[in-house]
Amino acid sequence: DARVTQTPRDKVTEMGQEVTMRCQPILGHNTVFWYRQTMMQGLELLAYFRNRAPLDDSGMPKDRFSAEMPDATLATLKIQPSEPRDSAVYFCASGLGGFETQYFGPGTRLLVL
Amino acid sequence: GNSVTQMEGPVTLSEEAFLTINCTYTATGYPSLFWYVQYPGEGLQLLLKATKADDKGSNKGFEATYRKETTSFHLEKGSVQVSDSAVYFCALTTSGTYKYIFGTGTRLKVLA
Repeated sequence: DARVTQTPRDKVTEMGQEVTMRCQPILGHNTVFWYRQTMMQGLELLAYFRNRAPLDDSGMPKDRFSAEMPDATLATLKIQPSEPRDSAVYFCASGLGGFETQYFGPGTRLLVL
Repeated sequence: GNSVTQMEGPVTLSEEAFLTINCTYTATGYPSLFWYVQYPGEGLQLLLKATKADDKGSNKGFEATYRKETTSFHLEKGSVQVSDSAVYFCALTTSGTYKYIFGTGTRLKVLA
């Protein structure tokens, strides 16, 4: 049963520290998405990739967030420096694009103190 | 632009009650429509989908019909269970784009 995996599952850090979240998409999926979920804002799309190329990162604060796909099996989301307002659950999802289903990982719960 | 509007929650029902969660959309072109469910502490997972007008998606007793004339995709279940307690998201995607547009989510709580 193929799944999207995310690490770490939970992260507590102090303001100003760098945070790196990792995602392993389902093998063969060529579209990867990063979302952020908070009670106040709901589910927000931060960035997405097609065949490892970034298609849209307009949802990310550019000054502190960066997203990359070093290879087809790994996507990363970095926050540097982190701030308390970045506290949220970050989800990665993968799919085949188009009208195909997106498969979500279990999320990384981030708390910035 | 494209958008999805779903009813505000929370929705609280007794076990075996009938469920409707409303979802309407605005889209250019011919969207595909989805319902996702999120159980506590988990990521979203696909519940059902419909890719063209008049299609009915169904899964686990849930159903939704793609109504082009009313631009709606309401989720229904005839008899809810406590285990259906979750947050339900309506979403769409259109040809030429790879991203989904999600609604704000509707929390369902089913009481025994």
